[in-house]
Amino acid sequence: SYELTQPPSVPVSPGQTASIACSGDKLGNKYTYWYQQRPGQSPVLVIYEDNKRPSGIPERFSGSNSGNTATLTISGAQAMDEADYYCQTWDGSTFVFGTGTKVTVL
Amino acid sequence: QVQLQQSGPGLVKPSQTLSLTCGISGDSVSSYSAAWNWIRQSPSRGLEWLGRTYYRSKWNNDYAFSVKSRITIKPDTSKNQFSLQLNSLSPEDTAVYYCARGHYYFDYWGQGTLVTVSS
Repeated sequence: SYELTQPPSVPVSPGQTASIACSGDKLGNKYTYWYQQRPGQSPVLVIYEDNKRPSGIPERFSGSNSGNTATLTISGAQAMDEADYYCQTWDGSTFVFGTGTKVTVL
Repeated sequence: QVQLQQSGPGLVKPSQTLSLTCGISGDSVSSYSAAWNWIRQSPSRGLEWLGRTYYRSKWNNDYAFSVKSRITIKPDTSKNQFSLQLNSLSPEDTAVYYCARGHYYFDYWGQGTLVTVSS
């Protein structure tokens, strides 16, 4: 079965840039989506189709996807960005979620 | 604005059936452009898609291989909602269950229901 791997944690200082990698076999040939999940809340879509932002998502969130790795970048991280982030793709027959990355702003 | 409101019990006994409902406002369960999904999340399994229902001239269902023999997702057009039934529960099915809208990704989610499987 298809798998998506993420680093367990990414620390970032306020105002700096955080990059979260999502690795999967030939992932660049598929669309990747990203979700933010704050403690006790439902996931929120922050990037769709590799690099598009839904309405209401701040411009500091951006995405890219090439080769075997998709990346979510938070430019100018804020305290409110501290959360778990999950990548997701569709492999043709099922949805696959990444293992999740905890972003800590400190 | 689409809103999804979940309802159903939080405690189910082993071997019994879980039944959850997701009420839809701001969209239609019969929409030609949407699909209606159930997803669960647990510390051991992470986020796991369970299945979906959607209407494209007829009703369609897709289910995850891991639960295919135990799951049923049904639309209810009269109430504009859809439901999840998962039978033969075991403690490994303990998780937060979410309903969500989306065909290739999920743009609206329900509030989540913590389901504990325990006697």
